[in-house]
Formats: sequence, structure tokens, C-alpha cells
Amino acid sequence: AQSVAQPEDQVNVAEGNPLTVKCTYSVSGNPYLFWYVQYPNRGLQFLLKYITGDNLVKGSYGFEAEFNKSQTSFHLKKPSALVSDSALYFCAGGYNKLIFGAGTRLAVHP
Amino acid sequence: DTGVSQNPRHKITKRGQNVTFRCDPISEHNRLYWYRQTLGQGPEFLTYFQNEAQLEKSRLLSDRFSAERPKGSFSTLEIQRTEQGDSAMYLCASSLAGGHYEQYFGPGTRLTVT
Repeated sequence: AQSVAQPEDQVNVAEGNPLTVKCTYSVSGNPYLFWYVQYPNRGLQFLLKYITGDNLVKGSYGFEAEFNKSQTSFHLKKPSALVSDSALYFCAGGYNKLIFGAGTRLAVHP
Repeated sequence: DTGVSQNPRHKITKRGQNVTFRCDPISEHNRLYWYRQTLGQGPEFLTYFQNEAQLEKSRLLSDRFSAERPKGSFSTLEIQRTEQGDSAMYLCASSLAGGHYEQYFGPGTRLTVT
């Protein structure tokens, strides 16, 4: 069965420090992988995607993600966290329909 | 705003009633998806359309659920004989055709079944 896992329910980071939100996947073939962010009372917003090519993909708001096929991971990263990055982050994978992880709440403290 | 829109934003209904939700996708997108999200979980796929054709349905979509996209533009999701377990956020998304295109999500319709 195909699945996406986000092993951390919550990640706490101090403002200005680098952040990592973890994602692992079990999707057959060459997966398409996505990161979305959800702010309170707002819809999911697309951040970035991996389709093929360079393992490091850059997205919106200074976020990037590294695809690692051997570890079946697609971790979201940002070099310097902002308080405004505090939100719920979802990793998703698939080809047409998306399979989502359970989400990771990112809390950036001043 | 030319994003995905959903109506209503909130719906409270009594168990056993029928409800219908509407989704208007981004105009140039020919794919439209429905997902359901419960508290503390990621969205779960329900069904998707390419133009007016419904291409895939999840096993989650019981026979009480039906979705249509009659002219390949807006879509409706109907739930008949609602149950308390149907309480969730129903999300609509749209994209260009092709799994490599990102999906753009609407704000969702929150359904509460009492």
C-alpha cells in the first residue's frame, strides 16, 4: 500500500535557526512528491514539488526540500525560520490522487 | 480572486438529511479533486474528474456519496442520509491535467452532522 509518513507531530524551532520537517514515503515507481502548508482558517497552499531531476528543489517563501531515493525521504527545510512560518505542514505523494501525511505542526518561537 | 472557491463554507445538518456542496475550480484547470479532512489528519482522497469524466473513486466514497461535474466546470458533492461520521472538512482542488502538476485547494466546506 502506498503511504506518506510524517514522524513528528510538532517541531519547535527558535526564530533564525534552520528548520527541518521530515517526510518519508512508500510510493511505487518514481513518485511525485509535494509539500503544502495550512494556516488557520485557510486552505492548503502549495509550497514545492519534486517530479524529477535535481534532488534539491526550491519553493515558495524560502523553503526547499531534499529528495533522497535511497532513504525514501523528502524533508522540508529552511535555512532561517521566521515566526510567520508557524503553521501546519503536509507532505503528499502520488501521481493523480495525492496521499497525504498526517501533518506536522511547526512552531517558531521568537 | 481567481482561486478555487467552495460553497457553503460551513454546513450544519441533522443526521439523515441530504447535503450538497459546490466547488468552482480555477478556470483553466481541467482536473478537479475532492478530499475529506478530519481533525488531526491529512486530507484523504475521495474522487477526481478530468473535464466531465469521473476517473477514480476512493473506497471511502460510499454509495451515499455522489459527485458530478456535468459541464466540466464546477462540481457538486452530495451526501445522502448524513451520519455523524460524515462530519469533516471537505476540500476541493483543481489542477491542469497530469499528475506532475500541483493541485490548488479551496478553503473547504466544514460539515457538522448533529
